[in-house]
Amino acid sequence: EVQLVESGGGLVQPGGSLRLSCEASKFTFSSYWMSWVRQAPGKGLEWVANIKQDGSEKYYVDSVKGRFTISRDNAKNSLYLQMNSLRAEDTAVYYCARDRRYCSGGSCYPYYFDYWGQGTPVTVSS
Amino acid sequence: QSALTQPASVSGSPGQSITISCTGTSSDVGSYNLVSWYQQHPGKAPKLIIYEVSKRPSGVSNRFSGSKSGNTASLTISGLQAEDEADYYCCSYAGSSTFAYVFGTGTKVTVL
Repeated sequence: EVQLVESGGGLVQPGGSLRLSCEASKFTFSSYWMSWVRQAPGKGLEWVANIKQDGSEKYYVDSVKGRFTISRDNAKNSLYLQMNSLRAEDTAVYYCARDRRYCSGGSCYPYYFDYWGQGTPVTVSS
Repeated sequence: QSALTQPASVSGSPGQSITISCTGTSSDVGSYNLVSWYQQHPGKAPKLIIYEVSKRPSGVSNRFSGSKSGNTASLTISGLQAEDEADYYCCSYAGSSTFAYVFGTGTKVTVL
């Protein structure tokens, strides 16, 4: 069974930085897009960022552009999210998820998330 | 990228059927059959239950079904069971070449 295990969450002051990690196992990590999705306390899900298999394409939700950077190391089967200039509104549980693509007519589109990790909590507070 | 609109809550008795709506725009839900649905129990990670509007992953009960009309997608749970009490989220390609996802606002399903 596919496994995704996040780590790196914690308490950080506004303006600070944090790096989340997601270790993947039981599937060929280098063959899949991957995403980060977050959920603020008591709120809904919000897609944050995703990255192509080889890292050549990366996309972000507008609210984190310029502050967060998604990356991956296929040799280590790991996904990362570097979060800088953190704000109180970034407080959430951060999930990594395997991101499936729908390909048609030479283009591939966001399709669905078929496996999720258990999440790592991030709290931004002074 | 505004969130898709779902009712905050839906309830039903065991054995009944309920339907959750998910309203987007002609740029996202209305333009692509790339709608998925997720079930989330308290304190747990979301679980995929429907993809591509109406397809069920292996192992998901056939009591869950999906459909779409225009800019609105729907999830129907038939033969409601106590274990179906959870939060449900729709999700779609955001369209407009954003290569982004947009989630729904979420619906709390209560089994009476």
